[in-house]
Amino acid sequence: AQSVTQPDIHITVSEGASLELRCNYSYGATPYLFWYVQSPGQGLQLLLKYFSGDTLVQGIKGFEAEFKRSQSSFNLRKPSVHWSDAAEYFCAVGARQAGTALIFGKGTTLSVSS
Amino acid sequence: DTEVTQTPKHLVMGMTNKKSLKCEQHMGHRAMYWYKQKAKKPPELMFVYSYEKLSINESVPSRFSPECPNSSLLNLHLHALQPEDSALYLCASSSGEAGELFFGEGSRLTVL
Repeated sequence: AQSVTQPDIHITVSEGASLELRCNYSYGATPYLFWYVQSPGQGLQLLLKYFSGDTLVQGIKGFEAEFKRSQSSFNLRKPSVHWSDAAEYFCAVGARQAGTALIFGKGTTLSVSS
Repeated sequence: DTEVTQTPKHLVMGMTNKKSLKCEQHMGHRAMYWYKQKAKKPPELMFVYSYEKLSINESVPSRFSPECPNSSLLNLHLHALQPEDSALYLCASSSGEAGELFFGEGSRLTVL
């Protein structure tokens, strides 16, 4: 079955500390992997994506993610968190074809403490 | 222009009303999507249009009726909704070449 698991429902990080959000996937074909961020009452914004090639991908707002095929993981990282990073983060997996739906994880809520 | 525009941003309707949500994109994308999102939950897929044809319908109740008048527009017609249909309705589009979905800001629907 195709699925995405985000093991952490809620994470609190101090401002300036590093962050890692976990994502594991199960997908029959070659996965295309994404991280989206959603601020309260807003739509989803794409942070970064992985299709192929270099397994460490850089995204917007200083985020990066590493694809590890052997662990079926695509964890999101940021070296220094800012208060504005507090939001809901969704990992998603899909295929490279128009009309294919993404499969989303349940999301991780990030809180940033001062 | 990389925007997906949704109107209205907020909608309050009674259970006997008929209303519509609208979505527009001018990125030349050939796939458009409707998602429903409840608070603190991931988006749930409702419908997918690919090349203006309905390609996926995730067993959505008939009180939700999608329409794709052309490749840039997507509507969601609402009729006889229930209070549990209150949610954020997200529209998205995709070119298919890159895989990712581009989301609008959503329409916040409240059914009284």
